[in-house]
Amino acid sequence: DAEITQSPRHKITETGRQVTLACHQTWNHNNMFWYRQDLGHGLRLIHYSYGVQDTNKGEVSDGYSVSRSNTEDLPLTLESAASSQTSVYFCASSVTGLDTQYFGPGTRLTVL
Amino acid sequence: EDKVVQSPLSLVVHEGDTVTLNCSYEVTNFRSLLWYKQEKKAPTFLFMLTSSGIEKKSGRLSSILDKKELFSILNITATQTGDSAVYLCAVLRRTNAGKSTFGDGTTLTVKP
Repeated sequence: DAEITQSPRHKITETGRQVTLACHQTWNHNNMFWYRQDLGHGLRLIHYSYGVQDTNKGEVSDGYSVSRSNTEDLPLTLESAASSQTSVYFCASSVTGLDTQYFGPGTRLTVL
Repeated sequence: EDKVVQSPLSLVVHEGDTVTLNCSYEVTNFRSLLWYKQEKKAPTFLFMLTSSGIEKKSGRLSSILDKKELFSILNITATQTGDSAVYLCAVLRRTNAGKSTFGDGTTLTVKP
């Protein structure tokens, strides 16, 4: 079955370190998204991509970067992790930008 | 700036009760409103609403959109403990397609 996976599921890191969170989908969806979710809040968009070599900033993109070298993967990199980036990160994908998004299981990141 | 407001923030009911969750929005170039259910994991898709006045239904859940008054409601009848979750509302624009804005969610607790 097609799916969307994230790794690692849990990560603890130290302030200032570079961290990369992986997202892989096997639906062949063009569109992929990264969100963060903080306790008691909804989802906030970090970056999104409409296809290979395309990336766009969301509402909370500072301190994060993404790259899209193939259809299946959209890794999210924290260049220099900060405690304010402690959160749960969700990756999602959709067929087009106007369709429902299917979410991965999430990565819980703690920055000490 | 796009805005999605959900109410109430939390709700506690007993099994068998009927609940109504609210989502109001202000968004430029509205395209669709989506409802998601989130248990202790990733959000899962419930409904996508694009047209006013047309009820979407799935089992005990139903939802309707009012594009004139800029809101949607999600109804759950004969609630069960398995309905306990956070319910998220999101809106999609016609422009910047895929760049969705989420509300903070309504936490529903159904007691036996």
